[in-house]
Amino acid sequence: QVQLQESGPGLVKPSETLSLTCTVSGGSISSYYWSWIRQPPGKGLEWIGYIYYSGSTNYNPSLKSRVTISVDTSKNQFSLKLSSVTAADTAVYYCARGLQSVYWGQGTLVTVSS
Amino acid sequence: DVVMTQSPVSLPVTLGQPASISCRSSQGLVYSDGNTFLNWFQQRPGQSPRRLIYKVSNRDSGVPDRFSGSGSGTEFTLTISRVEAEDVGIYYCMQGTHWPFNSGPGTRVDIE
Repeated sequence: QVQLQESGPGLVKPSETLSLTCTVSGGSISSYYWSWIRQPPGKGLEWIGYIYYSGSTNYNPSLKSRVTISVDTSKNQFSLKLSSVTAADTAVYYCARGLQSVYWGQGTLVTVSS
Repeated sequence: DVVMTQSPVSLPVTLGQPASISCRSSQGLVYSDGNTFLNWFQQRPGQSPRRLIYKVSNRDSGVPDRFSGSGSGTEFTLTISRVEAEDVGIYYCMQGTHWPFNSGPGTRVDIE
């Protein structure tokens, strides 16, 4: 059974860059799409973007100017960078497999605060 | 962007009784390959979302058969035939046809 685990700082200062990594175990990162999704406290789900194992990406237009998603197949990991964060970026961040998000990580809460 | 709406917002149910959640999209969800990428997720308290139904009516592996999905076009329904205590949580419909993908605001299911 494939498992995903998010990792990264839980606290980021305003205007700085949020960086998270998702480590995939129990299967290869190759041959799939990989997604980042976030959930602000008490709210619904927002798709941030996705990457194919080959490196092609697609980002939510509302975040496109601030988002970079990358993949490292040698480490079975993919990563998210979100620049110039504000309090509105405070959320639980999830990584998931596939465009239709069949498998999810447990999520990591990132708080933007000084 | 596609707007996804759900009703009701909150659904108190009696154990053993059926429950239904409606989901509506502002645009049709048929993709160019003929598939309709409408999925349903369950989020239990303190947990990450779990996909229950994909492409309108297909149950994911391990999902009890009391969960079923139906619909077409812009109107979709998730039905729980007999609610059990473990079904408490928030249910989201999600469209995976038009980028950016997005979900409805969620329906909270709890036991009366």
